Amino acid sequence: EIVLTQSPATLSLSPGERATLSCGASQRVSSNYLAWYQQRPGLAPRLLIYDASTRATGIPDRFSGRGSGTDFTLTISRLEPEDFAVYYCQQYGSSVALTFGGGTKVEIK
Amino acid sequence: QVQLVQSGTEVKKPGASVRVSCKASGYTFTSHAMQWVRQAPGQGLEWMGWINTGNGYTKYSQKFQGRVTITTDTSASTAYMELSSLTFEDTAVYYCARWRGGGFCDYWGQGTLVTVSS
Repeated sequence: EIVLTQSPATLSLSPGERATLSCGASQRVSSNYLAWYQQRPGLAPRLLIYDASTRATGIPDRFSGRGSGTDFTLTISRLEPEDFAVYYCQQYGSSVALTFGGGTKVEIK
Repeated sequence: QVQLVQSGTEVKKPGASVRVSCKASGYTFTSHAMQWVRQAPGQGLEWMGWINTGNGYTKYSQKFQGRVTITTDTSASTAYMELSSLTFEDTAVYYCARWRGGGFCDYWGQGTLVTVSS
C-alpha cells in the first residue's frame, strides 16, 4: 500500500499570500495518478486537481498542481477567504488500495 | 446535473450492522464505479472500497476486508455500503463518491453520519 505524507500539517497564512502544500508518496505513483481535494468544515470533499496537474471543471486557475513519481505539490497562488480549508491528496495509481494523505489545514494567520 | 444523495443519519449499538445508500442521478449509473470513503470526527479521509457498477466487481481496503460489503441496485441507480460488527471506532461520516478516470472522485454524496453508541 502506498502511504502518502502531507506537509505541513498546518499552514498559517494571510489572504493574498501564496500557499504551497506537499504530498510525498512512499512509492512511485503510477501514471502520476494523484488528486487533490479541498474540504471545508461540514462539507464533503471537492475535487480540485487530478492526474497531478489537471484542474477539475470550475476550479479557479489560482490552484495548480505539479509533481511526478513520489513528490507532488499543490499551489494556491493568492489565497482567497474561501480557500481556508483542509486539503487532501489521494493516489489512485494502485487500484488495489487507493489511499489519502493525512491532510493539510490552511488557516488564517 | 450529477447528484449523489445518501441516506440519513444512523445510530447503532456495538456489534450491529449499518447499511448506507447512495442514489445517483444525472448520469448513466453503470458507466462509473463508486467509491466509499469515511471520516471519523476530526480526522482525515479513509478509503474503504469501490465497486464496478457495471459488473459488480468489488475491491476493499485490507482494513475493512470481511466487515464491509458494497453492492448496487442498478435498476434504482443506487449503491450500498454495509459495515458489520460495529465498534465505537466506526463512528464517522461515510461518503460515496463517483469514480472518474483512473480512480479519482469527481462527485461526492453529502455524507451520512453513523454513530455507534451503547
